[in-house]
Amino acid sequence: DGGITQSPKYLFRKEGQNVTLSCEQNLNHDAMYWYRQDPGQGLRLIYYSQIVNDFQKGDIAEGYSVSREKKESFPLTVTSAQKNPTAFYLCASRGSRQGGSYNEQFFGPGTRLTVL
Amino acid sequence: QKEVEQNSGPLSVPEGAIASLNCTYSDRVSQSFFWYRQYSGKSPELIMSIYSNGDKEDGRFTAQLNKASQYVSLLIRDSQPSDSATYLCAVRNRDDKIIFGKGTRLHILP
Repeated sequence: DGGITQSPKYLFRKEGQNVTLSCEQNLNHDAMYWYRQDPGQGLRLIYYSQIVNDFQKGDIAEGYSVSREKKESFPLTVTSAQKNPTAFYLCASRGSRQGGSYNEQFFGPGTRLTVL
Repeated sequence: QKEVEQNSGPLSVPEGAIASLNCTYSDRVSQSFFWYRQYSGKSPELIMSIYSNGDKEDGRFTAQLNKASQYVSLLIRDSQPSDSATYLCAVRNRDDKIIFGKGTRLHILP
């Protein structure tokens, strides 16, 4: 059963804590993305990775960090430096140029983070 | 000018009617266009992709692309209450990034 999984579904964080959101895909996709969605703001790109061991900052990378040690995994850490982390976090992936799904980007189910 | 623009709505359409959702984009060299449906509290789901001028039909959905006018639309025929959602237009730009509009909220009236 191919797809993108994110965990946990809901996450509560105390101020000053770092938390890591998991994203795994078994679609053999090269590119992976992290977005943040706030009410009325649309999707904002945090980080993206087009290949293993390489990633680039998106539009709102401050206060976040990522790693891409395996093709299947792209975890996002929300650090204490992120001033307003409460949001819906979405992971996405996109196929390789060699595959048939290069153009299409698919989303995981999301993680809803709340800072207490 | 924003890269991808959509009317935020809400767009209210009677059940059984045609819902028409519109989107404009700013990058003239864009070649790939997408429509996503997002239910409240859920993640976006890809429902249509279109790459060439003209119409592309899939069931009750038709995507329309006019590159000269930098305009892409989504028609939903025989609208159902289950079509009530936010519809996101997305465009792959010259930097190979997929840029999303903020979405149009669609409400199908029973």
